[in-house]
Amino acid sequence: GQNIDQPTEMTATEGAIVQINCTYQTSGFNGLFWYQQHAGEAPTFLSYNVLDGLEEKGRFSSFLSRSKGYSYLLLKELQMKDSASYLCAVRDFTSGGYNKLIFGAGTRLAVHP
Amino acid sequence: EAQVTQNPRYLITVTGKKLTVTCSQNMNHEYMSWYRQDPGLGLRQIYYSMNVEVTDKGDVPEGYKVSRKEKRNFPLILESPSPNQTSLYFCASTREGTETQYFGPGTRLLVL
Repeated sequence: GQNIDQPTEMTATEGAIVQINCTYQTSGFNGLFWYQQHAGEAPTFLSYNVLDGLEEKGRFSSFLSRSKGYSYLLLKELQMKDSASYLCAVRDFTSGGYNKLIFGAGTRLAVHP
Repeated sequence: EAQVTQNPRYLITVTGKKLTVTCSQNMNHEYMSWYRQDPGLGLRQIYYSMNVEVTDKGDVPEGYKVSRKEKRNFPLILESPSPNQTSLYFCASTREGTETQYFGPGTRLLVL
């Protein structure tokens, strides 16, 4: 089957670094996404990894290890506006094709002063 | 402005009364999807479409229908809504060959 696990909640201090982990089990892995979702709003795309390694994009970086079924999202120099839910999602080819995304339940991050 | 729009944004209805939630994108994207989001369960895909007249079931299609008669529109139809369809619904679109999925603002549905 398919399973995506990520912590439910995390807290961090403004200016610090936080790492949000995601582990997954799928039979036809074809890419991993991270989305940010502020309360009451739509998710917005943050990053996409399909090969092993680290992808850096400004203050946000995303890492993937396909052999371990593991990814993390790293947020540096945290700002209050980074308080949001962070959704890990996996694209699984065996589930019906290109556009089939399976989401984790999300990690709610609270940044405090 | 490039965007995905959904209507209505909020809807309260009663069990069994057919309803349609519209979704429209102005980016000429090929792929469109519908999701529902429930506390503790995250986003679950209901249906998706890879192009006009091409649709397929997601993880939770029961009780829903979709159509894709035009590239820009992808309505979600609830023929006979039930209380367990109370949820937050998102439409999304993606250009073929790219990875970025653009989400609409969401429709909050309450079925009494």
